[in-house]
Amino acid sequence: DVKVTQSSRYLVKRTGEKVFLECVQDMDHENMFWYRQDPGLGLRLIYFSYDVKMKEKGDIPEGYSVSREKKERFSLILESASTNQTSMYLCASRSDREFPSYGYTFGSGTRLTVV
Amino acid sequence: AQTVTQSQPEMSVQEAETVTLSCTYDTSENNYYLFWYKQPPSRQMILVIRQEAYKQQNATENRFSVNFQKAAKSFSLKISDSQLGDTAMYFCACLTTSGTYKYIFGTGTRLKVLA
Repeated sequence: DVKVTQSSRYLVKRTGEKVFLECVQDMDHENMFWYRQDPGLGLRLIYFSYDVKMKEKGDIPEGYSVSREKKERFSLILESASTNQTSMYLCASRSDREFPSYGYTFGSGTRLTVV
Repeated sequence: AQTVTQSQPEMSVQEAETVTLSCTYDTSENNYYLFWYKQPPSRQMILVIRQEAYKQQNATENRFSVNFQKAAKSFSLKISDSQLGDTAMYFCACLTTSGTYKYIFGTGTRLKVLA
C-alpha cells in the first residue's frame, strides 16, 4: 500500500558528488514536495512543484535543485554535495481535490550522509 | 510569519496511561488548519488528526484527541490508553488556506511508550 516511494532508504556520498534523490507517487497528485528533517529543526521545505515542469523555492533552496518531468516523479538534486547536507530527506505529495482535509502523503525518507 | 512551537523535545509514558503533547502556533490568518503527524522509527510519517480552525468542537480519532484553544493559539494532542506502537516522533503543523498552502511544522516531540 506504499503510495509515495523514495528510491533509497540510505545513501552515502562523497563531498562534491552530484546526488539525485528520487520520489515517485502513484496517486495522481498534482503537488509534490521535498523537505529536509534535522533534529531540533523539524521539517523545512526545500522545493515544491504544483504541476509538471513547474517548481517553486521553499525556505531553504540553496544548494539544491529539482526536476519534475512527469507528474508522478519529483527529483531532488544536490549539485555538489557538502557535509552540511547530511540529513533526512522526505518527499510528500498532496491532491488539490482532497486538500486540505487529508493532509500530505509522505514517503519513508532517505537518510543521506555526505562524507 | 507563521510559527509552530513544540516545547517538549522528549516525553515518555507508561503503557495504558494518558499523555498530552503540547503545541502552540502563531498566525495572523483567520482561516487555517492544524494537524498532528506521527513518524514511527524508520517508517513514514502519517496523519494522526486534523482540526479546522473554524470548528469549535475538538477533533477526535479513536484514542487520539485534541484540545484546541483558538484564543490561546494552543493545539495539544492527547493520547489515551497509550500503546507501544505509539512510540514515535510527533509533529504539529499549521496550514493557512491562502497563498501557496505551505505547512509550517514544529520541531517535534519524541514520545516513548514504556512497557
